[in-house]
Amino acid sequence: AQKITQTQPGMFVQEKEAVTLDCTYDTSDQSYGLFWYKQPSSGEMIFLIYQGSYDEQNATEGRYSLNFQKARKSANLVISASQLGDSAMYFCAMREDILTGGGNKLTFGTGTQLKVEL
Amino acid sequence: NAGVTQTPKFQVLKTGQSMTLQCAQDMNHEYMSWYRQDPGMGLRLIHYSVGAGITDQGEVPNGYNVSRSTTEDFPLRLLSAAPSQTSVYFCASSYHEGANYEQYFGPGTRLTVT
Repeated sequence: AQKITQTQPGMFVQEKEAVTLDCTYDTSDQSYGLFWYKQPSSGEMIFLIYQGSYDEQNATEGRYSLNFQKARKSANLVISASQLGDSAMYFCAMREDILTGGGNKLTFGTGTQLKVEL
Repeated sequence: NAGVTQTPKFQVLKTGQSMTLQCAQDMNHEYMSWYRQDPGMGLRLIHYSVGAGITDQGEVPNGYNVSRSTTEDFPLRLLSAAPSQTSVYFCASSYHEGANYEQYFGPGTRLTVT
């Protein structure tokens, strides 16, 4: 069974600084995908970044990058130059079994609440 | 494009009542799914569908039914509401299974069962 662990229930960061949100995962699949989603207080789920298990380069999307360490089974999200609008809940999620057609099912972690301060 | 739409936004039910949460997408996505979000537990998969006429159970399917008669619509039915089903429900869609596409989420339905 898959599992996603986010050990930081809450984080604080100063505006303009970088912050790392931790995510570790557990799977026996060889082929899988890792996602990060942002959920602001308004409640919607916003896709941020994706990393495939066979991707050799770490994914980047603007100020977001994913620090993927396959041997350690970690997929940490790095937000550079934090902004007040980054204050939100952040979820790490994993999609199982890409190559054998397991559907696009996501397993989510419990989330990290990030607060950006002036 | 409206993306993924969900109705209603809010709903209060009494224990034992039934209702249907509506979900529609206009992106021609084959894959659709329902999640529930409870405090401290992240999102959990209820049911999913890989195409019209095909549905399957997720992690927490008990008490819910789904059907997929068209590509666009994927309603979630609560057969006999219980207080344990108080939650926020999200519908999501994406391109076909087997691809590394992001899932697009609807705005959510906040359901309270008294």
